[in-house]
Amino acid sequence: NAGVTQTPKFRVLKTGQSMTLLCAQDMNHEYMYWYRQDPGMGLRLIHYSVGEGTTAKGEVPDGYNVSRLKKQNFLLGLESAAPSQTSVYFCASSRRDRNRYTFGSGTRLTVV
Amino acid sequence: SQKIEQNSEALNIQEGKTATLTCNYTNYSPAYLQWYRQDPGRGPVFLLLIRENEKEKRKERLKVTFDTTLKQSLFHITASQPADSATYLCALNRDDKIIFGKGTRLHILP
Repeated sequence: NAGVTQTPKFRVLKTGQSMTLLCAQDMNHEYMYWYRQDPGMGLRLIHYSVGEGTTAKGEVPDGYNVSRLKKQNFLLGLESAAPSQTSVYFCASSRRDRNRYTFGSGTRLTVV
Repeated sequence: SQKIEQNSEALNIQEGKTATLTCNYTNYSPAYLQWYRQDPGRGPVFLLLIRENEKEKRKERLKVTFDTTLKQSLFHITASQPADSATYLCALNRDDKIIFGKGTRLHILP
């Protein structure tokens, strides 16, 4: 099993550009999450989804949008990138019991 | 507001010794707590989960304790090896989410 796959792995954007990060999981997990990780800040939850067609805001949702049209995919969008969104983004998934999160390998995004 | 505190400074331990990492939390009573390992450039990897009614849990060289009175979890690695060097994150459940601590970097010195 591939687990959780994130694409792309690296990206450089100019301020104001838009992009979509893709997360795919093959474990039939109900729940999916997007985190960002910054030095000294730890993992912070951006948005999450408890099922196909449903999304909710996390701790730091501003400037991001998400969609979960299919159970296995969770998309994170940046409509107008800002330098403050330079970070490493991790997608994770879990079963409903949330006993164990499976993370992807991350997307390193730089906004210049 | 709820806080999870892990040692922000790196922990250096001599190979073969026991490494002990601390996770403290405030303003909440989680039903369970998790520990993850994260290597540079990689995503966190799940290690152990301990529930509020469990005092201790073991997996190979790993041992986790959970003291709900002190609001603290201790993570032990016995007979530590250089390959155990990584950042270790604790996480606890809150509502329908998991909240992560900032992690402690562990260096096992050969």
